Parts: sequence; C-alpha cells; structure tokens
Amino acid sequence: QVQLQESGPGLVKPSETLPLTCTVSGGSISPYYWTWIRQSAGGGLEWIGRIYASGNTNYNPSLKSRVTMSVDSSKNQFSLRLTSVTAADTAVYFCARIGRLDYDVPLFDYWGQGTLVTVSS
Amino acid sequence: QSALTQPRSVSGSPGQSVTISCTGTSGDVGSYNYVSWYQHRPGKAPKLMIYDVIKRPSGVPDRFSGSKSGNTASLTISGLQAEDEADYYCCSYAGTYTFVVFGGGTKLTVL
Repeated sequence: QVQLQESGPGLVKPSETLPLTCTVSGGSISPYYWTWIRQSAGGGLEWIGRIYASGNTNYNPSLKSRVTMSVDSSKNQFSLRLTSVTAADTAVYFCARIGRLDYDVPLFDYWGQGTLVTVSS
Repeated sequence: QSALTQPRSVSGSPGQSVTISCTGTSGDVGSYNYVSWYQHRPGKAPKLMIYDVIKRPSGVPDRFSGSKSGNTASLTISGLQAEDEADYYCCSYAGTYTFVVFGGGTKLTVL
C-alpha cells in the first residue's frame, strides 16, 4: 500500500519561502508523476504543480513564477518550494500521486493527510 | 472561487440516494471524459472514488456512481450510510496548459 507523508514548517513568515517534502513509502517514485495540491480556508482545492520521476515539471500558470519542485529518488521523496509567500498562501498542503500511466490526465490515486501551513509574522 | 461549481452542501437519510453536481465549461468537463471524484474526511487523506467519469477503483462500493451530461458531471451515492458523511470534490482535466481544475467541495451530511 502506497503511503505519502508531508513534512515541513507549520509557520512561515510573509515574504519568505515555504519548503515542504513528501516522503513516499510502500512504492517507488518511478515511473509516476507526483503532485502538490492545496486547500485554502475557503475549502476549494488548488493544483500547484507536478513532477515526474525524472525531474520534469509542470506548474499551475497562476503560481509558476513562485514554485519550484524537485525529486530525490534515492530517498523516495519529492519537494515543493513556494517563494515570496503571503497570507493568501495559508492552506493545507497535500501531496499526491498521479496514478495514470497510459494517459497524461489527472487521476490522484494516493494522497497524504495534508499539512497545515500558516503564513504569519 | 473554484473553476468547477458544486453545491456547498447536500444531505440525506440512511438508505436514501443523493446526487452531487459539478458544473464546468466546454474547456474542461464538457470536452473531456476525465472527471474524478474524491471523498475527504477531516484529518484523513482524500480518497479517489470515481475516475474517467464513471469508473470505480477497486474497493469502492458500487453504491457510488458517476455520470456526465454536457458541462455537468454528477456523483450519486445510493443506499446512504453514516460512513459516507464527508466532503466530496470533483476534478476535471482541463487541457495541457491548465491541466486540472477542481470544484469547491460539497459537504455531505447523513441525517
């Protein structure tokens, strides 16, 4: 059974960088895409971006200028860095696996429980 | 504001059926049969319930079914059980540039 676990600081100051890591257990990073999704206080979900096992990335156009994702296959981990954060970035951040290998479409078959990140001074 | 529109809440009694709608546009739900639904209980990892509009992953009860008409997808839960109480989110492929859009979520209450 594949399991994902997010980790990172629960509190980040405005204008600083938010770093999160997702550790994958019970399965290999390859050959899947892995993704970050967040849920703001309003409840809706927002896709942040995705990274392939090889390191190829695609980001949400609205966040692209502030997002960087990376992968460390040796540790079965992938990471998110979101720069210049504001209060609007306060959210629960989820990592998930994109389970489709035949078509390049969003199908999130395994998720982490999420981690709350608050942006405040 | 979410790209896909869902009702904020629905409710039903045990044994009844409820349907949750998810309205998008011709650029997402209306153009692709790649709508999925997720169940989220507070503090838990979201769970995939339906994918490709109508398909159920292994282990998901057949009480859960999906459909689509035009720009609106729907999730129907029949024979409601107390354990079905959760938030439900729809999701659609939206093309290679945007990739994916989500709904705002629907809170299901089992009375």
